[in-house]
Amino acid sequence: AQTVTQSQPEMSVQEAETVTLSCTYDTSESDYYLFWYKQPPSRQMILVIRQEAYKQQNATENRFSVNFQKAAKSFSLKISDSQLGDAAMYFCAYRSADMRFGAGTRLTVKP
Amino acid sequence: GAVVSQHPSWVICKSGTSVKIECRSLDFQATTMFWYRQFPKQSLMLMATSNEGSKATYEQGVEKDKFLINHASLTLSTLTVTSAHPEDSSFYICSASGERTQYFGPGTRLLVL
Repeated sequence: AQTVTQSQPEMSVQEAETVTLSCTYDTSESDYYLFWYKQPPSRQMILVIRQEAYKQQNATENRFSVNFQKAAKSFSLKISDSQLGDAAMYFCAYRSADMRFGAGTRLTVKP
Repeated sequence: GAVVSQHPSWVICKSGTSVKIECRSLDFQATTMFWYRQFPKQSLMLMATSNEGSKATYEQGVEKDKFLINHASLTLSTLTVTSAHPEDSSFYICSASGERTQYFGPGTRLLVL
């Protein structure tokens, strides 16, 4: 079974600074997708960024980028120029036949 | 992006009653939908995979007779919590499978008194 591990229950960043959220996963499959989702207090899951495992190039979406290390099974999220609106729970997710989530990291942004 | 709706958004019921939650994909057809459960300050836990026209596949530890799932059409899946008890109180989220990602509904908050 696939497992997703987020080792940082909480993280804090100063507004306008950069923060990196960690994620590792375990799988024996070669074809899969990795995601970062944001869950604000409304609890609506919002897709932040997606990475296809077959792509070597790291995905980037504006201020959000990932460091995908397939051999190490690592998938970290970097948030640049952090904004107050970035404060939320962040979940790393692995998708093959279905989607599994890590335990989440609560990000606090300090003004 | 694709839109997934859930109804109701919140429900309060008495212990022993049954509650039905609907999940609809509004602008695409979803052959596969997923039901998740999220306890406060915890992650999303997959309960079951719902396939249109066939029986749902339940995760280990999820009672299929308690959490009835029906996926009668390509745009609708329902989760019925039968004989609900206070321990079933939780946040239930559905998700519809797209080509490269999954789209999530806004969730249903269930409180069983």
